Amino acid sequence: AQSVTQLGSHVSVSEGALVLLRCNYSSSVPPYLFWYVQYPNQGLQLLLKYTSAATLVKGINGFEAEFKKSETSFHLTKPSAHMRDAAEYFCAVSSNTGNQFYFGTGTSLTVIP
Amino acid sequence: ETGVTQSPTHLIKTRGQQVTLRCSSQSGHNTVSWYQQALGQGPQFIFQYYREEENGRGNFPPRFSGLQFPNYSSELNVNALELDDSALYLCASSLDGTSGGTGELFFGEGSRLTVL
Repeated sequence: AQSVTQLGSHVSVSEGALVLLRCNYSSSVPPYLFWYVQYPNQGLQLLLKYTSAATLVKGINGFEAEFKKSETSFHLTKPSAHMRDAAEYFCAVSSNTGNQFYFGTGTSLTVIP
Repeated sequence: ETGVTQSPTHLIKTRGQQVTLRCSSQSGHNTVSWYQQALGQGPQFIFQYYREEENGRGNFPPRFSGLQFPNYSSELNVNALELDDSALYLCASSLDGTSGGTGELFFGEGSRLTVL
């Protein structure tokens, strides 16, 4: 079965600094991978997705992620953090049948002014 | 375009009671998925409904059941509530399942259930 592992349950960065949130996947077949963001008291919003096209995926709000098969990774980055980026971030992989997503345990991002 | 709406937003129940949570899917979507998000955890898949039929189920007991209506709205029912059922229940809609896994899930803001 597919799964994702998010390293680091809490990440703190200074405003303007690089954001790096880590995600490694476990899948027996080429996966479809997603990053979602959850703001306090809200549902999840899609940031970006990898569906076997370009390995560097650009998403909303300046985020991007690179699919690296050799490292089984799909890390999320943003060159310059903004206060509004403070939220919970979830990496997810879809099942082989495509009817369910497996989410990681999440990484809470704090942006320090 | 109307997004995914869920009701109620918050509710408190006691052990052994039953609860029904409701979800209206985004306009044009024919698939609804339900997820349970315990505090500090990622969402866990409960089940998916596609054109009124269950289309996959996660590792949840039978006391978790669901329905999808002809207008594609959905209900999640939980019987014999346990303390561990306290969580945020998220509904997500999509088109045609999840288009083989490539499609986006559009989430509602969730229903927060507390079981005392």
